[in-house]
Amino acid sequence: NAGVMQNPRHLVRRRGQEARLRCSPMKGHSHVYWYRQLPEEGLKFMVYLQKENIIDESGMPKERFSAEFPKEGPSILRIQQVVRGDSAAYFCASSPTVAIHISYNEQFFGPGTRLTVL
Amino acid sequence: QKEVEQNSGPLSVPEGAIASLNCTYSDRGSQSFFWYRQYSGKSPELIMFIYSNGDKEDGRFTAQLNKASQYVSLLIRDSQPSDSATYLCAVRGTGNQFYFGTGTSLTVIP
Repeated sequence: NAGVMQNPRHLVRRRGQEARLRCSPMKGHSHVYWYRQLPEEGLKFMVYLQKENIIDESGMPKERFSAEFPKEGPSILRIQQVVRGDSAAYFCASSPTVAIHISYNEQFFGPGTRLTVL
Repeated sequence: QKEVEQNSGPLSVPEGAIASLNCTYSDRGSQSFFWYRQYSGKSPELIMFIYSNGDKEDGRFTAQLNKASQYVSLLIRDSQPSDSATYLCAVRGTGNQFYFGTGTSLTVIP
């Protein structure tokens, strides 16, 4: 059973370009979470999605950032017109449906995408 | 007020000692509590979860939960240099969202 997959692992963009980060959750997981982590800082929640639905995007900047989790394919975090301050590690995590059993609701993290904006 | 608070450390303990990591949370309706370990440059990995008051033991790790005090802790017995990492406390809120603390940096000195 493959874990959470993220690609690319490293992404370099120039200011003003677009960054697309992909996340494939673990098999059987229908919940996806995106986090941003700056050097020496904790994980900052960005968005929580289920298939075809954004459940909570309270942590996502209102401009330039968007996320989706289509019926087919991976979840995508899109950053338009990147700026240097967007340089960070972006982690995706997935978890199974909460209703199955409370002990099955932990999150499993992907390896992350390290975005560098020049 | 932050949802989850941790002492950022750094915390240093000698090899073989007990490391104690603490966490408090603000949402009284939270049901599940997690400890993750993150090595530098790596992604967080789950160590333990707990959802009932009291202690839960797994090998050298013991998680403790006190819902009345809104307090979670992680004890690491017989600390090893390989335990040196940042430990993240996470709480699953009533809205199914996860809140993470900023992490406590632990160094185990050989």
